[in-house]
Amino acid sequence: SQTIHQWPATLVQPVGSPLSLECTVEGTSNPNLYWYRQAAGRGLQLLFYSVGIGQISSEVPQNLSASRPQDRQFILSSKKLLLSDSGFYLCAWSVQGSNQPQHFGDGTRLSIL
Amino acid sequence: AQSVTQLDSHVSVSEGTPVLLRCNYSSSYSPSLFWYVQHPNKGLQLLLKYTSAATLVKGINGFEAEFKKSETSFHLTKPSAHMSDAAEYFCVVSDQETGGFKTIFGAGTRLFVKA
Repeated sequence: SQTIHQWPATLVQPVGSPLSLECTVEGTSNPNLYWYRQAAGRGLQLLFYSVGIGQISSEVPQNLSASRPQDRQFILSSKKLLLSDSGFYLCAWSVQGSNQPQHFGDGTRLSIL
Repeated sequence: AQSVTQLDSHVSVSEGTPVLLRCNYSSSYSPSLFWYVQHPNKGLQLLLKYTSAATLVKGINGFEAEFKKSETSFHLTKPSAHMSDAAEYFCVVSDQETGGFKTIFGAGTRLFVKA
């Protein structure tokens, strides 16, 4: 069966510090991969998606970036965090060729101080 | 253009009473529709999906939803609420556009269940 792992579960970072959140999927090949942000009391905002290694599409311009160094690994990064980057970050995958349904990780709660 | 509207940001019910979470959509194509549930500090879990087969879709945990094309609705229901149903629910529409699929998540409805 397929599983998706995100880490860390919670993270507290100072403004201006770098960020690296990691997501890995097991039990499937060539998945579509997604990064979402969920701000308090709001819906999901798609940040990035990837249909293959090294292929990243950005939905929202910002100081975040994403990379996919391996087929089942998706990394969300920032060189300098802003206060507005606080939120709940979710990674998800779907089978190649379709973007629904998506299977979500348990998320990372990011707090910027 | 594609959109999804969850008509209530919050719904409160008593345990044992019916649940109705409303969702309206618009789509230029024949859409697929989904409901997800999110418990606190967790990811989203698929409850059920409609993909142009039966219009009444049954999901996990006793939930079901009915696709009504004439009303462009996909409301989520459950006959009897349980305390464990307290969570946030997201309606999602997805359809195929030129070059790929497009997915829109609703803003979510938070369900409160009173003892």
